[in-house]
Amino acid sequence: AQSVTQLDSQVPVFEEAPVELRCNYSSSVSVYLFWYVQYPNQGLQLLLKYLSGSTLVKGINGFEAEFNKSQTSFHLRKPSVHISDTAEYFCAVAVQRNDYKLSFGAGTTVTVRA
Amino acid sequence: GAGVSQSPSNKVTEKGKDVELRCDPISGHTALYWYRQSLGQGLEFLIYFQGNSAPDKSGLPSDRFSAERTGGSVSTLTIQRTQQEDSAVYLCASSLSAGQNVSPLHFGNGTRLTVT
Repeated sequence: AQSVTQLDSQVPVFEEAPVELRCNYSSSVSVYLFWYVQYPNQGLQLLLKYLSGSTLVKGINGFEAEFNKSQTSFHLRKPSVHISDTAEYFCAVAVQRNDYKLSFGAGTTVTVRA
Repeated sequence: GAGVSQSPSNKVTEKGKDVELRCDPISGHTALYWYRQSLGQGLEFLIYFQGNSAPDKSGLPSDRFSAERTGGSVSTLTIQRTQQEDSAVYLCASSLSAGQNVSPLHFGNGTRLTVT
């Protein structure tokens, strides 16, 4: 079975600074990878996804993530954060041959301060 | 348009009582999921419905948990004889079709269940 580890539970960051959220996964078969974001008092929404092709994927709100197969990682980055990026971020994985079922990490809470 | 709607948003119940949680998916979405989010943990898959196919119930933690989806639309998650460890946020999601490579999940705001 596949699993996801988010290495940081809390990430405080100052406005306009860069941020990186780390995600590692384990799976014996090929996977799809996702980042979801949950803003305060809202439901989770898709930020970006990796299905195939270029290992660098761009998502909404200036976020990007890089798939590294050898390191089984899918880290999320943003070069300059805004106050509005304060949210909880979830990394998720789905096995390609059974891709209706997502396995989520525990989440990383990002708090952006002025 | 309307998103995934869940009710109630908050539910406090006494240990041993039964609870029903409701989910209204986005119209036209054939796939529906229930997840559970416990404090400090990731989302835990509970059950998946796709059209008229048999649901995947592999994530239900015990036989006290059950779910149904009537008419391919509204879904109800029922927890019988609630226990304190059932306290969590229960999230419902729907998607246009099965398969994460095709259509993403749209989540509701969840039902926060507290068992006292």
